[in-house]
Amino acid sequence: KAGVTQTPRYLIKTRGQQVTLSCSPISGHRSVSWYQQTPGQGLQFLFEYFSETQRNKGNFPGRFSGRQFSNSRSEMNVSTLELGDSALYLCASTPLGLGEETQYFGPGTRLLVL
Amino acid sequence: QKEVEQNSGPLSVPEGAIASLNCTYSDRGSQSFFWYRQYSGKSPELIMSIYSNGDKEDGRFTAQLNKASQYVSLLIRDSQPSDSATYLCAVTTGFQKLVFGTGTRLLVSP
Repeated sequence: KAGVTQTPRYLIKTRGQQVTLSCSPISGHRSVSWYQQTPGQGLQFLFEYFSETQRNKGNFPGRFSGRQFSNSRSEMNVSTLELGDSALYLCASTPLGLGEETQYFGPGTRLLVL
Repeated sequence: QKEVEQNSGPLSVPEGAIASLNCTYSDRGSQSFFWYRQYSGKSPELIMSIYSNGDKEDGRFTAQLNKASQYVSLLIRDSQPSDSATYLCAVTTGFQKLVFGTGTRLLVSP
């Protein structure tokens, strides 16, 4: 099976712009989670989607949003970008979104905000 | 108190030695525990998962879980230079919310 794919892999934006990142889960996986990784804060949970519904959300401002489509592909959007949003954004998928399932990570999208 | 705590390291061990990585967590209700390895510039990859108290072995890796002490560890036997990476401890709380420690950087010298 193909792994989790994320596009684009690299992105440079300026403050105030918005950005949309895309994630395609492993075939058959219905749960997609998003994480932000920075050197200072480490890996932090953003949100999780299952069957087009957000089931869990981390402690991030409303500028961070996401959605999931009927084919389980997911997008996340960050509006009004700030310098501190520069990070590696990772998505992970599991079959059913159960806590004991292993999350498989995509290669990530590296976002640089200037 | 952080939800998942790890020593940031670096932990330096010679090739062939045993590397011991430790992690503590704060949520007593946590049920699932994972060790991920992350090479610089890459995404995390699963090394081990453990769900019940005791030891779980997979090749050169052994995960140990003690829920009473809220403690998870990972032992790497016969460490190789290719094991040099950051090891992330992660705990599931709620629906698919993986909480990660900040990671321990392991350096294995030839």
